[in-house]
Parts: sequence; structure tokens; C-alpha cells
Amino acid sequence: NAGVTQTPKFRILKIGQSMTLQCAQDMNHNYMYWYRQDPGMGLKLIYYSVGAGITDKGEVPNGYNVSRSTTEDFPLRLELAAPSQTSVYFCASTRAGESGVHEQYFGPGTRLTVT
Amino acid sequence: KNQVEQSPQSLIILEGKNCTLQCNYTVSPFSNLRWYKQDTGRGPVSLTIMTFSENTKSNGRYTATLDADTKQSSLHITASQLSDSASYICVVTLRNTGGFKTIFGAGTRLFVKA
Repeated sequence: NAGVTQTPKFRILKIGQSMTLQCAQDMNHNYMYWYRQDPGMGLKLIYYSVGAGITDKGEVPNGYNVSRSTTEDFPLRLELAAPSQTSVYFCASTRAGESGVHEQYFGPGTRLTVT
Repeated sequence: KNQVEQSPQSLIILEGKNCTLQCNYTVSPFSNLRWYKQDTGRGPVSLTIMTFSENTKSNGRYTATLDADTKQSSLHITASQLSDSASYICVVTLRNTGGFKTIFGAGTRLFVKA
């Protein structure tokens, strides 16, 4: 299994540009998550999905959108990039919810810079 | 306010030495606590997961402890290796009316020197 994969690894955007961060998992996990990690801070949940067709906001959803058309894919969309969105973005998946019984698997991250 | 605080912020030790990282939390109601290892440029990888009823769990040279009464956890690393150089993140999950919520600590950055 490839686990959780993310593309691209790095990206530089100009203010106002749009982009989609891709995330895919091949473990047939129903729960998927998007986090951002700012320097010196803990990961913050942006959006999550409990299954295909179902998404919900996390702690910091403003400026982002997601979709979950298949179990495998969970793309994150930035519509109008702002410097405050400069961060490292991690996608994660787990077999069930965040009850702690099931391990959460993370992708390698996408480092985004908005200038 | 639900918070997870880790100490120290960073730590330098010599290869072969032991070390202990601390995690204090004010999360309630508590569901479980996890420790992750995050290598530079990589995503976090789970080391241990502990529920309310567990007070210690080991994974090789890593041993996590949990005191749910004082809301403290520690991660002890034995006989450190250069490959232990990484950030160690404490993550606490709480159970609320809407389901579960996970709160991440800022991490402890460990440097192991030869």
C-alpha cells in the first residue's frame, strides 16, 4: 500500500491565485482529514470527511473548500490565496472516527507559500 | 479552554542517553492520548495510543505514561539514537456532543548528537 499520498510537495502561489491540493489513500479508510501546521504551533483541523459525499468544517475552514466524491480522494481547494495561508498542509486518514482506537495515518505534507 | 501543552520546547541530548518529554492537558471530557513522531519534512507517525484506563504503553524504546487524574503524560526515550532526532507531538482527543475533537500540542523538538 502507498498509504496516504499528497501532491504537490511544494508550491508557491501569488496572492489571489487558486489551487487544489490533492490527497489520496489506498487503505479504504472512511475518515479523511486536512490539517495545517504553522511554525511552532500544533496542527489545526481545516476540514474532515466521514465518507464519500460527506464533509464538515474543522477548526479553521475559512478560505478553503473540500469535496469527497470517492472513498480514496479528498482534495482541498484554495480559491483566493492569501499570505495567511502560507503553511504546511497535511492530509490524514483513519479507518473510523477519532475515537483513538484506530491509528491515524498522515501524508508527507504540502508546503505552500503565498506571496 | 481545551489545551495541550508540551515541554520542553526543544531538547538536545547525546546519543545513548535517555530523555523524558512532558505533556499537560486541560482537555475534558478525555477520550484518548496519542504520541506522534514527526521527522523533518514528513507527516506525523503514531507511536502510542492510550485510553483513559491505560497508564503506560511501550513501543520499542519509547514508553508513554498517562496520569488521567493529574492530566499529565510523558514520553520516555531509552538509549537514544541519532534517528530519534525529530519533533514529538502529544495529541489529546475529547468526546463532545458532536462526536470527537482532537487537539494537537505544539511538539517538542529533540536533537540527538553523536
